[in-house]
Amino acid sequence: QSVLTQPPSVSGAPGQRVTISCTGSSSNIGAGYDVHWYQQLPGTAPKLLIYRNNNRPSGVPDRFSGSKSGISGSLAITGLQAEDEADYYCQSYDISLSSFVFGTGTKVTVL
Amino acid sequence: EVQLVESGGGLVKPGGSLRLSCAASGFTFSTYSMNWIRLAPGKGLEWVSAISGSSSYIYYADSVKGRFIISRDNAENSLFLQMNSLRAEDTAVYFCARESTGTTNTWVDPWGQGTLVTVSS
Repeated sequence: QSVLTQPPSVSGAPGQRVTISCTGSSSNIGAGYDVHWYQQLPGTAPKLLIYRNNNRPSGVPDRFSGSKSGISGSLAITGLQAEDEADYYCQSYDISLSSFVFGTGTKVTVL
Repeated sequence: EVQLVESGGGLVKPGGSLRLSCAASGFTFSTYSMNWIRLAPGKGLEWVSAISGSSSYIYYADSVKGRFIISRDNAENSLFLQMNSLRAEDTAVYFCARESTGTTNTWVDPWGQGTLVTVSS
């Protein structure tokens, strides 16, 4: 049972900008816990995309950016490319559950 | 290179048991907390269990509490998940993943490639 809500799918044409929201509550993101993002390409393991709301690990293109405000986080992909087709998950910590929590996941389709 | 390699998945009947392993390399295993996370067919990621570097702290998701046991062998750089009383809803790809900091406000990186557990009669 995911406590972080994401849109099931988003799509865009190559070169466009898409955003994915991640809505939590006062017991996770709203409590001050950071939002992290993972990309799961088809048939592969999830890979860290953004950590601590807006930081990119080495090797992640600057087309990917993150932000956080209130009880929500957001991932933006600018200059959408075919290779960005994947599932994207947000993650935070929930103080009520005393555990990591993941978002419901969003499938990005490049038209 | 930091690497995590899971093994031990397979087909098991409801009520059965399975033991997953995760072999770690490329980092000082004993200094990191480790996690098991699963991805069920058609569903999203679900955190399963976590263990601190010294095994002093262990946590489970409510969905597996009392049935799964996480453990580690720092001498062998290995993480384990003993899965008992398995149910159909435990069917998933199970990933092991390393926590990046020693606090609750952390992320996991890297992830192993995953091992498939199928619970079916």
